[in-house]
Amino acid sequence: EDQVTQSPEALRLQEGESSSLNCSYTVSGLRGLFWYRQDPGKGPEFLFTLYSAGEEKEKERLKATLTKKESFLHITAPKPEDSATYLCAVQDTGSSNTGKLIFGQGTTLQVKP
Amino acid sequence: GAVVSQHPSWVICKSGTSVKIECRSLDFQATTMFWYRQFPKQSLMLMATSNEGSKATYEQGVEKDKFLINHASLTLSTLTVTSAHPEDSSFYICSATGGSYEQYFGPGTRLTVT
Repeated sequence: EDQVTQSPEALRLQEGESSSLNCSYTVSGLRGLFWYRQDPGKGPEFLFTLYSAGEEKEKERLKATLTKKESFLHITAPKPEDSATYLCAVQDTGSSNTGKLIFGQGTTLQVKP
Repeated sequence: GAVVSQHPSWVICKSGTSVKIECRSLDFQATTMFWYRQFPKQSLMLMATSNEGSKATYEQGVEKDKFLINHASLTLSTLTVTSAHPEDSSFYICSATGGSYEQYFGPGTRLTVT
């Protein structure tokens, strides 16, 4: 059964203090791994898609990496506006026709000024 | 690009009434749309998947007669919560995909049943 586990559940950082969020996954075949950002009371905002081990993608202070078992979302010199819940999701090759995503529970990041 | 809207953003209804939520893809044609439910401090729970012109596929445990989904066109899907009860109060979010693997999410609809 496909499974996605994110850690830590919550993370508090000081502004400028870099860190990483982890997403471990188990799928029979990975079609894609997705990172989203969700602010309170809003829908998730798409950040990245990673398709194969070794792939990396960057956007501003965020960098996502992928291995065969996990993905990391690295946050460099975070700012208070980076505070949000970060969601990781996977799509199994068996569900590629439906596009179904399996979500982790999310990591809630708080960046203090 | 890839903007998804939802209407209304919030709604309050009385127990026993029905409420309809619209999900629109504004700048792309959505071959598939998804409906999720999210409880406070929890992750998204997929309710159903719908393709334009086809019947929706519901996840296990989701009552298809209670949560009616209609994907009338390539830019519009609706979720109707029938005979709503307080336990149906939740945050409902739709997403859409236009053929690529990414799902783009709407801003969500907060439903409160009194």
